[in-house]
Amino acid sequence: GIQVEQSPPDLILQEGANSTLRCNFSDSVNNLQWFHQNPWGQLINLFYIPSGTKQNGRLSATTVATERYSLLYISSSQTTDSGVYFCAVFYNQGGKLIFGQGTELSVKP
Amino acid sequence: DTGVSQNPRHKITKRGQNVTFRCDPISEHNRLYWYRQTLGQGPEFLTYFQNEAQLEKSRLLSDRFSAERPKGSFSTLEIQRTEQGDSAMYLCASSRAGPGVYGYTFGSGTRLTVV
Repeated sequence: GIQVEQSPPDLILQEGANSTLRCNFSDSVNNLQWFHQNPWGQLINLFYIPSGTKQNGRLSATTVATERYSLLYISSSQTTDSGVYFCAVFYNQGGKLIFGQGTELSVKP
Repeated sequence: DTGVSQNPRHKITKRGQNVTFRCDPISEHNRLYWYRQTLGQGPEFLTYFQNEAQLEKSRLLSDRFSAERPKGSFSTLEIQRTEQGDSAMYLCASSRAGPGVYGYTFGSGTRLTVV
């Protein structure tokens, strides 16, 4: 089946720093979503991004489907950005999401 | 739109007992999904419904697991004869048909601990 790999697995930042998280996938996909899982376990939609670039405040995402990767950019990081960031791909018309292992981000004050 | 609601938030049960979780999706969403997440891992697909029809089940869903969505609205996930390996976060999500266009919304999850 399709493989979704995220890097880095862990990231520690000082508040105010910028970061880039990467998601590679092994096969063509219908679509891709980025999520933030907060310390209480809630998965929050960040971006639904089949291709191109989207921005929402300090966060932006770029997906290059032909090269099978997506990037999540976090600028001017804040302590509230801490948590686990997941990339997930839609693999077939059934809509099943395949998740990566996540990047655990810790932003220090 | 109150989002996806899951109950209970936490459940502690003794090994061998049966447990049932409930998920109420966003009202206009006709697809409903169940996922399981263990510590340090990404969520893994269990099953999904379109309206009341269960369209796909993962091999992770053993015979002890059953899911229903009787009227195409809320769904229940039952685990019979629980085992310690069933301890995990159980996540529900919903979407409109063709999530390739609309994407998922997840609930807050039910954390199951089997002792």
